[in-house]
Amino acid sequence: EAQVTQNPRYLITVTGKKLTVTCSQNMNHEYMSWYRQDPGLGLRQIYYSMNVEVTDKGDVPEGYKVSRKEKRNFPLILESPSPNQTSLYFCASSSGQGAAGANVLTFGAGSRLTVL
Amino acid sequence: GQQVMQIPQYQHVQEGEDFTTYCNSSTTLSNIQWYKQRPGGHPVFLIQLVKSGEVKKQKRLTFQFGEAKKNSSLHITATQTTDVGTYFCAGPMNRDDKIIFGKGTRLHILP
Repeated sequence: EAQVTQNPRYLITVTGKKLTVTCSQNMNHEYMSWYRQDPGLGLRQIYYSMNVEVTDKGDVPEGYKVSRKEKRNFPLILESPSPNQTSLYFCASSSGQGAAGANVLTFGAGSRLTVL
Repeated sequence: GQQVMQIPQYQHVQEGEDFTTYCNSSTTLSNIQWYKQRPGGHPVFLIQLVKSGEVKKQKRLTFQFGEAKKNSSLHITATQTTDVGTYFCAGPMNRDDKIIFGKGTRLHILP
C-alpha cells in the first residue's frame, strides 16, 4: 500500500531533550515536506526537499533541522525542543515533477508532540 | 510573501444546507488543490484544478478555479454529517513548486 509513515505518532518530552520524528514513503516520491498544524493557523510548512540532498526552509523553520540522505526518508529533528514546538506534525510527499497532478501531496497520519 | 487566504475560518450549517469556502492567492497559481481533513485525521487530497475557469464536480462537491487562476471555491450541496471536517486549498508557489496551504475552513454540521 502506497503510504507515508511517521513515527512516533504521539510523544511527550521535556524542554531541551533532542528528538527525531521519522518519515518514510514507499512511492519513490522526489518531493517531501514537513508541516505543523496549530489551531487557527492551518498547515505551516517547516522544511521541504525537492530531492535527495536538497532541502529548503519553509515558512517556520526555526528550531528544526531536516536531512534527506535517501529518497524515501525525511526525518525532522528538534535539537533542543521548547514548549512552543508543541504541535501536530505532518509529513507529506509527492512525485513533484511539475506535471499536472504530480505535486499532489500524500500525508502521513501525523505526530502529536508535547514539549513540557 | 506569497499567501493563500481562505474564508471563512469556521462555518456552521444545518444538515441539508449548502456550504461554500473560498480561496484567494496573492499570485497566479499553476494549479490549485483541495484537501479534506476529518476530525482527528490527516489531510486527504480531493481534487486538483489546472485550467483557467475550470469547474469539476464530485457528487455533491463542486470545485471552481478562477479565470485569473488566483482564486478558487468549493461548494457542497445539501451537506451531510459525513462532510464534517476542515477543507484546505493549496497551491504551488515559486518555481520550486513549494506548496502553500490556506488556513482552512472548518465545517460543522448541525443535525
